[in-house]
Amino acid sequence: GAVVSQHPSRVICKSGTSVKIECRSLDFQATTMFWYRQFPKQSLMLMATSNEGSKATYEQGVEKDKFLINHASLTLSTLTVTSAHPEDSSFYICSARGQVDPNYGYTFGSGTRLTVV
Amino acid sequence: AQSVTQPDIHITVSEGASLELRCNYSYGATPYLFWYVQSPGQGLQLLLKYFSGDTLVQGIKGFEAEFKRSQSSFNLRKPSVHWSDAAEYFCAVGPSNDYKLSFGAGTTVTVRA
Repeated sequence: GAVVSQHPSRVICKSGTSVKIECRSLDFQATTMFWYRQFPKQSLMLMATSNEGSKATYEQGVEKDKFLINHASLTLSTLTVTSAHPEDSSFYICSARGQVDPNYGYTFGSGTRLTVV
Repeated sequence: AQSVTQPDIHITVSEGASLELRCNYSYGATPYLFWYVQSPGQGLQLLLKYFSGDTLVQGIKGFEAEFKRSQSSFNLRKPSVHWSDAAEYFCAVGPSNDYKLSFGAGTTVTVRA
């Protein structure tokens, strides 16, 4: 149980375009989802926390207008990187939390490698 | 504020040898502690976690970790590593009343034949 699917696993886009990344909880209802960014050979940095049906809470230094997060249902959250630039290239990982989750809410997706060219 | 320190950036170990990865945390109360493993290009897999109770925690893949409050540590161990254990390992801490995890910088484990 507690599976989180993240799609796509890899995406290459042109500079100036927008890219949407999906994070789905497959077998539980995710009341909260977290989006992380990971630079090569570095740790995970929390970008934002989203609760179903409400606005996401962004961490300091994260541009909310560039990284749009939507959590419209209990099983889906999306991260849209708007007007992407090469510096947005990174590995993005989501995690999801349910009301009853033996992992204490930290079931991670498999990540999305974004390359902006 | 909570924080996690993993002092070792890279560890090389021979297959069959023992492995210990260090993790020190800073947090005002008793934290929730986690160890995750990440293979290249993949997400994170939970190895084990500590919330309360027995300070020696058993996890998957033969890993264990010991919570030592006096040392603010949560070191990960494995008695005999396998080549498949080569990966990036992250220690993380989270407060009991919130779900924001703070991750250490990670330790890369290389296993030599």
